[in-house]
Amino acid sequence: NAGVTQTPKFQVLKTGQSMTLQCAQDMNHEYMSWYRQDPGMGLRLIHYSVGAGITDQGEVPNGYNVSRSTTEDFPLRLLSAAPSQTSVYFCASTAGLAGVHEQYFGPGTRLTVT
Amino acid sequence: SQKIEQNSEALNIQEGKTATLTCNYTNYSPAYLQWYRQDPGRGPVFLLLIRENEKEKRKERLKVTFDTTLKQSLFHITASQPADSATYLCALANDYKLSFGAGTTVTVRA
Repeated sequence: NAGVTQTPKFQVLKTGQSMTLQCAQDMNHEYMSWYRQDPGMGLRLIHYSVGAGITDQGEVPNGYNVSRSTTEDFPLRLLSAAPSQTSVYFCASTAGLAGVHEQYFGPGTRLTVT
Repeated sequence: SQKIEQNSEALNIQEGKTATLTCNYTNYSPAYLQWYRQDPGRGPVFLLLIRENEKEKRKERLKVTFDTTLKQSLFHITASQPADSATYLCALANDYKLSFGAGTTVTVRA
């Protein structure tokens, strides 16, 4: 049981490049979410999904896309990277709705945009 | 606007003492409040969940209180150990989403 896995661990992009951050979970959780964490700030919700085929925006969705074609996977796409997207990105999953149940977090992806 | 504020200063305490962390919020009415631990370079790990109708919850050396009138949660680590050194995050359940505070870094000196 690997829990929540994220790839890559580190990534450097140039401004304007696109990429996909991968997230997978093997706990059969319906609810998955993406957060970014910046120094001195709390985790901020980017997008979330309550099940396959259903996604919704969080607090800071601009510049990011998501899709949820399977229960296990929830990739995050950066469409055209900007220096303001330099951050640590965490994927999380939970057995029920977020807040009501504990969230399981992945190890994070540290992204630098130059 | 909605705000979640945790102790702005880092907490440095002596081993064996009790660490008390504060989480204050405004313009939220959370039904649930959670606490997480985060070690450097790692993802947060769930510690405790408390419901709005619960005043207090305990787990081993951890204790959480939740006062919806004061709009505050207190997180206590009793008999602290150097291994408790980490950043602790509070999170409020709001409309089926979690909103996090910035965290309080605790360092326990041997």
